Amino acid sequence: DTGVSQDPRHKITKRGQNVTFRCDPISEHNRLYWYRQTLGQGPEFLTYFQNEAQLEKSRLLSDRFSAERPKGSFSTLEIQRTEQGDSAMYLCASSLVPGVETQYFGPGTRLLVL
Amino acid sequence: AQSVSQHNHHVILSEAASLELGCNYSYGGTVNLFWYVQYPGQHLQLLLKYFSGDPLVKGIKGFEAEFIKSKFSFNLRKPSVQWSDTAEYFCAVNPNAGNNRKLIWGLGTSLAVNP
Repeated sequence: DTGVSQDPRHKITKRGQNVTFRCDPISEHNRLYWYRQTLGQGPEFLTYFQNEAQLEKSRLLSDRFSAERPKGSFSTLEIQRTEQGDSAMYLCASSLVPGVETQYFGPGTRLLVL
Repeated sequence: AQSVSQHNHHVILSEAASLELGCNYSYGGTVNLFWYVQYPGQHLQLLLKYFSGDPLVKGIKGFEAEFIKSKFSFNLRKPSVQWSDTAEYFCAVNPNAGNNRKLIWGLGTSLAVNP
């Protein structure tokens, strides 16, 4: 399968713990996006990378959140000192620029903070 | 602020009924427009997209959408729905056409099709 993959698919953690999620984009895609989705809502943009450069971060992304894409391929999203309000589906998408392009989504990581 | 409005939050139809889901956006410049679908337990999949050209675009599974620039709308249609169309449908807009950064999403419409 050459689509976007995410790991883990599910994560349950206790409040205050740190968690890290991984996203592997479609191999030739140079842009990678992170979104958060809660029940009954559309995805909310968190941040995106072009190659290894993080070009934009949403105001939703507090200091507890950090994302990296060290080699311009896979990306990690870390949440430190998790809070119950962090419980959500974390989505990764990738795309190819320049040109007419579309974001393709992975299956997401569902986080539950107890 | 830029926003995307989906007028119907929940729609219930019987099989073979026609479907139209509304989507309006608030951006006056050039836009790229998308409809994504999320089937139960599955990830977001692209249904169709509009970048330029013919404002009537056809997507997968018999869906189509019409871009009406004067109305800032991109409504999704299907002439005859099936039970398998039960899903969440999201309209998304890229208000920076040619410089795709982030998509602005509607809240989604939950469609239930009764067999």
